Amino acid sequence: GESVGLHLPTLSVQEGDNSIINCAYSNSASDYFIWYKQESGKGPQFIIDIRSNMDKRQGQRVTVLLNKTVKHLSLQIAATQPGDSAVYFCAENRRGSSYKLIFGSGTRLLVRP
Amino acid sequence: EAQVTQNPRYLITVTGKKLTVTCSQNMNHEYMSWYRQDPGLGLRQIYYSMNVEVTDKGDVPEGYKVSRKEKRNFPLILESPSPNQTSLYFCASSLNPFSGMNEQYFGPGTRLTVT
Repeated sequence: GESVGLHLPTLSVQEGDNSIINCAYSNSASDYFIWYKQESGKGPQFIIDIRSNMDKRQGQRVTVLLNKTVKHLSLQIAATQPGDSAVYFCAENRRGSSYKLIFGSGTRLLVRP
Repeated sequence: EAQVTQNPRYLITVTGKKLTVTCSQNMNHEYMSWYRQDPGLGLRQIYYSMNVEVTDKGDVPEGYKVSRKEKRNFPLILESPSPNQTSLYFCASSLNPFSGMNEQYFGPGTRLTVT
């Protein structure tokens, strides 16, 4: 498959455990955030999003937490499965920047059987 | 099936030879965008389009052109490719952005090598 990063930070978790992937953003003007999952050889796939007027949002097995005070975003995956192995990206939309999305460099999640 | 398609998926070319990467979506999305993905740099936006005949620069537009003559198509044009444009390219689309940011659907990617 296509390589998406040679030196990505990697998180290794045991199957069934919970995973927490972190992302720091730099611009306090950002008001919309998205988490994407990218499997080898595929394009990014939307997981969950959150607006800056929220602190937490839950989806199916995933939760996104937003801490605007320290400009930090996290993605929690419950009961991690082998199919969750992928590279995860956070992205931010900066208020006043129309619809430009700024992506982080990504975190590789490896799920041990 | 709702999807974003890109062609070609793989392309090897030489410096200076004009090329076009096509992108098409069948979801009637207004918003379309091109990104390039490089190791350690994540995805960087090249150009985006809010609707037909409306395009704007992203963060790394130099050396690229786009057009949006029809809603479904958003081709990426490299008039004179250079080796630093060797990268993995993704096209994406989403619903009307004026109603707020929406989920972007990404194509499968185009691996371009410029020698």
